[in-house]
Amino acid sequence: QKEVEQNSGPLSVPEGAIASLNCTYSDRGSQSFFWYRQYSGKSPELIMFIYSNGDKEDGRFTAQLNKASQYVSLLIRDSQPSDSATYLCAVNVGGGADGLTFGKGTHLIIQP
Amino acid sequence: DGGITQSPKYLFRKEGQNVTLSCEQNLNHDAMYWYRQDPGQGLRLIYYSQIVNDFQKGDIAEGYSVSREKKESFPLTVTSAQKNPTAFYLCASSITRLIRNQPQHFGDGTRLSIL
Repeated sequence: QKEVEQNSGPLSVPEGAIASLNCTYSDRGSQSFFWYRQYSGKSPELIMFIYSNGDKEDGRFTAQLNKASQYVSLLIRDSQPSDSATYLCAVNVGGGADGLTFGKGTHLIIQP
Repeated sequence: DGGITQSPKYLFRKEGQNVTLSCEQNLNHDAMYWYRQDPGQGLRLIYYSQIVNDFQKGDIAEGYSVSREKKESFPLTVTSAQKNPTAFYLCASSITRLIRNQPQHFGDGTRLSIL
């Protein structure tokens, strides 16, 4: 059974601080990992993806992957109120064009 | 503009009725997907198609059917056998099964409710 676990939150972070979102996955052979942002009532929007161990940076966002620990995280620097949303972690087990396995999401609140 | 178009945005189903959700993409993507999202939950895979005229069941395919007659289109039918169809339905696509680790991009979704 493929599982992706996230803390549902809410995670409350002051504006300008670093928000740290975490995700663990059960299938050790998982190939690629995705972070989506979902505003209330809207569809998911791709933020970052990563498939090699280490860090990947894109603007204010950094994705971190540790395959040995089966752990992937998303850091948001200089958090803004517009970052308030639910963040979904998704895993592609096979790396091909099969479907993704999603966590239930972490609700992030940035306090002005 | 290139993108994924889902219609309708809202849909109501009567008991015993089949309904079809539309998903069209003009991104020239080979692979398309259908997910279901229940309140406070993550997305769950219903069906996916890697190429035209081929599709596979996902984790929760019972009570649903799909077709992939054209590259651009991947309609989802919610049949009367699906006893709890109220959910947010999301269609996604990715470039090709031939390139590994490609991200999926989503349409705006269809909200289905029972009358």
